[in-house]
Amino acid sequence: GAVVSQHPSWVICKSGTSVKIECRSLDFQATTMFWYRQFPKQSLMLMATSNEGSKATYEQGVEKDKFLINHASLTLSTLTVTSAHPEDSSFYICSALAGEETQYFGPGTRLLVL
Amino acid sequence: EDQVTQSPEALRLQEGESSSLNCSYTVSGLRGLFWYRQDPGKGPEFLFTLYSAGEEKEKERLKATLTKKESFLHITAPKPEDSATYLCAVLTGSARQLTFGSGTQLTVLP
Repeated sequence: GAVVSQHPSWVICKSGTSVKIECRSLDFQATTMFWYRQFPKQSLMLMATSNEGSKATYEQGVEKDKFLINHASLTLSTLTVTSAHPEDSSFYICSALAGEETQYFGPGTRLLVL
Repeated sequence: EDQVTQSPEALRLQEGESSSLNCSYTVSGLRGLFWYRQDPGKGPEFLFTLYSAGEEKEKERLKATLTKKESFLHITAPKPEDSATYLCAVLTGSARQLTFGSGTQLTVLP
């Protein structure tokens, strides 16, 4: 149980285009999901908390107009990187909160912006 | 501010050589301490949650323990497939977000 999927697993795009990443909890419902970014050899950096049916909460320094988050159902959250630039290239990981405490992570999405 | 420190940063072991990874924390109101395993290019995989000092949990060759200041992840007779980065994280107060340590990169040589 507690499986989280992400799609796509990797994406290459041109600078200036927008990219949407989906995060799904497959066998449980999650009112709260989280989006992280991870640079090579570093730990996870929380970007935002995604709340079903309400606006996401962004961490300090994360541009909410750049990283659009939609949590439209209890099993799906999406992250859209708008007008992507090379500096947005990274490994993006989502997690879903099962119950009150335990986060289960997706497999991650590697984004490369050319 | 909550702080989580993991040591060592990297650890190389021979197959069968048991050892421990450390996660020390300075937090207010610990609700849970979590251990995850992360393989290169993948998301973290949940291993354990510990809630109170003295608690222990085991899974195959791994055993996690918790005191009031730190947690240990003991690896008994490791195999090469245990090679990964092990992440420690804490949940505190009324927050829903985890605070992560920087991880220990474990390499088990055959």
